[in-house]
Amino acid sequence: EVQVVESGGAVVQPGGSLRLSCAASGITLNNYDVNWVRQAPGKGLEWVSHISSSGNKIEYLDSVKGRFTISRDYAKNSLSLQMNSLGAEDTAVYYCLANSWFGGLLTLYWGQGTLVTVSS
Amino acid sequence: EIMMTQSPATLSVSPGERVTLSCRASQSVSSDLAWYQQKPGQAPRFLIYGSSIRATGIPDRFSGSGSGTEFTLTISSLQSEDFAVYYCQQYHNWPPLTFGQGTRLEIK
Repeated sequence: EVQVVESGGAVVQPGGSLRLSCAASGITLNNYDVNWVRQAPGKGLEWVSHISSSGNKIEYLDSVKGRFTISRDYAKNSLSLQMNSLGAEDTAVYYCLANSWFGGLLTLYWGQGTLVTVSS
Repeated sequence: EIMMTQSPATLSVSPGERVTLSCRASQSVSSDLAWYQQKPGQAPRFLIYGSSIRATGIPDRFSGSGSGTEFTLTISSLQSEDFAVYYCQQYHNWPPLTFGQGTRLEIK
């Protein structure tokens, strides 16, 4: 069974930093493109960041550019999202989404999410 | 940025009924459209990609169609476990990947 697991969510003060991690069992995360998607309380889904399996393609939502950094640790088969200068608008459940195209078929796995609360 | 608009916001239906949810893109996304189902307190579940291809393990009562700017998700006979929020998402032109605001299916 495939499991994608996020960790690192916490309560943090405005202006603070947090590092989220994403790991997986049942798949080799290194072989998957990964996106972070967030969901503010009671709201819809919002894409945040992308990193390709090779690490060559990295993209961010405009509102997090310069504040968030996505990176991979190939040795640990994991990746992280470093979040700096956090504001109330960043309060959300953050999901790690791993996807892979093979033979024209898309395989996609969601983690269970980790809650980030920005509050004083 | 491609805007995705779903309608209606809420749909009240009875178990066993057939239901169709709509999703519209602000510009063509070809067939690069996915659908997700989300129940309260849970992560989204991957249903459909390529507008009409069911993800692994998805029952055949779920079907998707459309291309360009107009898309639909049809559930042929609603089961109790199908009452949830449904999101469409385009992956044709990004960043950013964009989602619709969701359609809530509730029991009538």
